[in-house]
Amino acid sequence: SQKIEQNSEALNIQEGKTATLTCNYTNYSPAYLQWYRQDPGRGPVFLLLIRENEKEKRKERLKVTFDTTLKQSLFHITASQPADSATYLCALLTGNQFYFGTGTSLTVIP
Amino acid sequence: DAGVIQSPRHEVTEMGQEVTLRCKPISGHNSLFWYRQTMMRGLELLIYFNNNVPIDDSGMPEDRFSAKMPNASFSTLKIQPSEPRDSAVYFCASSSRTPGLKDTQYFGPGTRLTVL
Repeated sequence: SQKIEQNSEALNIQEGKTATLTCNYTNYSPAYLQWYRQDPGRGPVFLLLIRENEKEKRKERLKVTFDTTLKQSLFHITASQPADSATYLCALLTGNQFYFGTGTSLTVIP
Repeated sequence: DAGVIQSPRHEVTEMGQEVTLRCKPISGHNSLFWYRQTMMRGLELLIYFNNNVPIDDSGMPEDRFSAKMPNASFSTLKIQPSEPRDSAVYFCASSSRTPGLKDTQYFGPGTRLTVL
């Protein structure tokens, strides 16, 4: 089965800086990878999807990269704001199986 | 649209009792997913349906868990008998494409289950 590792420690950054979150996976390269945001007491909300043949995807202040050689995706939030504070989850589709990481907690300090 | 609706939002029960969680997907969506989230294991896919038919239930932990989708607008996840280790937040999600796994999933607010 697929194993997914995200930043094990919570991430604290200053407002205005770029936050970078990591998603590493083992075994098979996924057909695609998604990033979700989850706020306390709520369900995950979809942010971005990147396919295995894509290197990079952007949406406003968000950027996702996908390196199938390193088996890694990076999620960047530029010009971070306190409102970006949340837990961010990566999710992978491999074959017919769908896996979520345990998430990275991000706190943006004003 | 009201989004994915789950009920109850919180459930506290005693070990051995039957628990039924309910989900109403977004109208027009044809895929539905049940997840369980814990601190230790994160978000785990339990089962998903496409056009009301269970496609993959390999994530269902054991025979105590069962899920049904009698129609396009309603699904249940039942635990019988419940055990303390079933305590978790259970999420329902839906998506609009077939086979669903390749599309954005919209999550409900979750049901926080506590089994004493």
